[in-house]
Amino acid sequence: AQSVTQPDIHITVSEGASLELRCNYSYGATPYLFWYVQSPGQGLQLLLKYFSGDTLVQGIKGFEAEFKRSQSSFNLRKPSVHWSDAAEYFCAVGSNYQLIWGAGTKLIIKP
Amino acid sequence: KAGVTQTPRYLIKTRGQQVTLSCSPISGHRSVSWYQQTPGQGLQFLFEYFSETQRNKGNFPGRFSGRQFSNSRSEMNVSTLELGDSALYLCASSGPGTNSYEQYFGPGTRLTVT
Repeated sequence: AQSVTQPDIHITVSEGASLELRCNYSYGATPYLFWYVQSPGQGLQLLLKYFSGDTLVQGIKGFEAEFKRSQSSFNLRKPSVHWSDAAEYFCAVGSNYQLIWGAGTKLIIKP
Repeated sequence: KAGVTQTPRYLIKTRGQQVTLSCSPISGHRSVSWYQQTPGQGLQFLFEYFSETQRNKGNFPGRFSGRQFSNSRSEMNVSTLELGDSALYLCASSGPGTNSYEQYFGPGTRLTVT
């Protein structure tokens, strides 16, 4: 069965520091991969997506992610975080008309 | 273009009652999906509709049902509410010009069962 693993429940980084959030997936074929962000009390906002082609994808708010088939990973990165990036981040894979979700990583920003 | 709208935003119900939640997709989108989000279980898929047909259903009891209308608007219904049904219910739509898995979410309906 398809699954998504986000191994870090919480991550704390200083404002201005770089960020990497990890995501590993289990899927037989070429996956459709997504990162979403959720601010407290809000819905989910699509940050970026990977369907095929270039393995480094750019998203909104300065985020990027790299698809690595050999490692079954789709890690999210940002070179310099801002206090407004504090939120929960979810990785997902598309399968059989649904999105299968990771458990999420809560990002905490230290001033 | 207006985003996905969900009504109501907040709801308080008593155990044993039933509830209906509504979702209006982005104009032109024909696929609507529903998810339940809880602190313990995370995000779980409920069902997906396309052109009034349910294409997939998650692992939820029959108390959870949904439907989609000809204008793509969707409703989900939960009968005989249980305390464990307290959750944020999220609706998402996808449509022409996007991969069907590229889903855009509404703000959710926060359901509290007492």
